[in-house]
Amino acid sequence: EPEVTQTPSHQVTQMGQEVILRCVPISNHLYFYWYRQILGQKVEFLVSFYNNEISEKSEIFDDQFSVERPDGSNFTLKIRSTKLEDSAMYFCASSTGTGGGYGYTFGSGTRLTVV
Amino acid sequence: KQEVTQIPAALSVPEGENLVLNCSFTDSAIYNLQWFRQDPGKGLTSLLLIQSSQREQTSGRLNASLDKSSGRSTLYIAASQPGDSATYLCAVIKRALTFGSGTRLQVQP
Repeated sequence: EPEVTQTPSHQVTQMGQEVILRCVPISNHLYFYWYRQILGQKVEFLVSFYNNEISEKSEIFDDQFSVERPDGSNFTLKIRSTKLEDSAMYFCASSTGTGGGYGYTFGSGTRLTVV
Repeated sequence: KQEVTQIPAALSVPEGENLVLNCSFTDSAIYNLQWFRQDPGKGLTSLLLIQSSQREQTSGRLNASLDKSSGRSTLYIAASQPGDSATYLCAVIKRALTFGSGTRLQVQP
């Protein structure tokens, strides 16, 4: 069964450093997403991406965050200057469409620890 | 703003029991509802997707129902097994997924 692949599975970074989280969505999917889950809390929406631009973003997704699809297969989330509160599990997801009938497929996540 | 609530927060049952997990949401203008399973420290595995026009979906021992007008969904697990132990999340889909906090299920051998 097709999978969403995320790398790395774990990343530890110093506060203030830039990190890039990488995702390879399912090849025929057109919509890409990032979600995060702080330990013990709900999974929260960050951003959706379609046709090489952001289609929706949450209040969490401020100027410190950016997304990019640098080639035909990768989808990245960059955090410019990490803060302690950015420590979370970050999930990438993709779907073939939006609206009725389209479910999401999630990757296994990247655990980011900011120290 | 959409709010999704899952009850109970945690559940411990002996193996073989049938059980029901509940999900409620405040805004009934959704496209779909999706149930996921999350093992500790792991990703989200999709279990069932119910379109807003559907009333239920079944996969093996799992059955999910949706009553959009009342803002409720249930996930029914038949003949529970220790391997079913995980956190079960429901999420409603409109422009993005909005998740509940999950029900942490422990099935005792």
